[in-house]
Amino acid sequence: EVQLVESGGGLVQPGGSLRLSCAASGFTFSTHEMNWVRQAPGKRLEWVSYISGGGETTYYADSVKGRFTISRDNAKNSLYLQMNSVRIEDTALYYCARIEQQLTDSWGQGTLVTVSS
Amino acid sequence: DIQMTQSPSTLSASVGDRVTITCRASQSISIWLAWYQQKPGKAPKLLIYQASSLKSGVPSRFSGSGSGTEFTLTISSLQPDDFATYHCQQYNNYWTFGQGTKVEFK
Repeated sequence: EVQLVESGGGLVQPGGSLRLSCAASGFTFSTHEMNWVRQAPGKRLEWVSYISGGGETTYYADSVKGRFTISRDNAKNSLYLQMNSVRIEDTALYYCARIEQQLTDSWGQGTLVTVSS
Repeated sequence: DIQMTQSPSTLSASVGDRVTITCRASQSISIWLAWYQQKPGKAPKLLIYQASSLKSGVPSRFSGSGSGTEFTLTISSLQPDDFATYHCQQYNNYWTFGQGTKVEFK
């Protein structure tokens, strides 16, 4: 069974940093592309970032480009999102999601990031 | 960027009702459209992919149709477990989501 467990969320001040993690199990992690997707309170789901299976290729939404960095450690079956220079509008529940043939077919339960002074 | 627009935003229905939700893309996405069900405090759950393919294990009362820019999700006979929020998602060019449709008790 595919399992994705996010962690690392919490309260952070505007301009601060936070690192999210996602522990994967139940599938061959290194062969799957991965996404981070977020959902702000009362807002639609928003794709944040993508990484290829080997980590060589990454993409970012314009809203986070230059501030967030996606990475992975295939030896540890883990996905990361380094969030720098956070803004109030980055407040959201952050999900990691497995990609299968371009489709986000499995999601974790999410980790909550709150940006507030 | 491809924009996705769902309608309605909220739908009031009763058990046994036939329910239809519409999703429109701002440009053609062929059949690269998925539907998700989300319950409060839970992650989205994939129901339908490639516009009309039912994910294994999803009840057959769920169906999807459409191509290009117009898509629909239909629940043929609403069950108590189906009261939830439904999201469409295009995956033709990156990933973007509709604003969600909440199906609530009438």
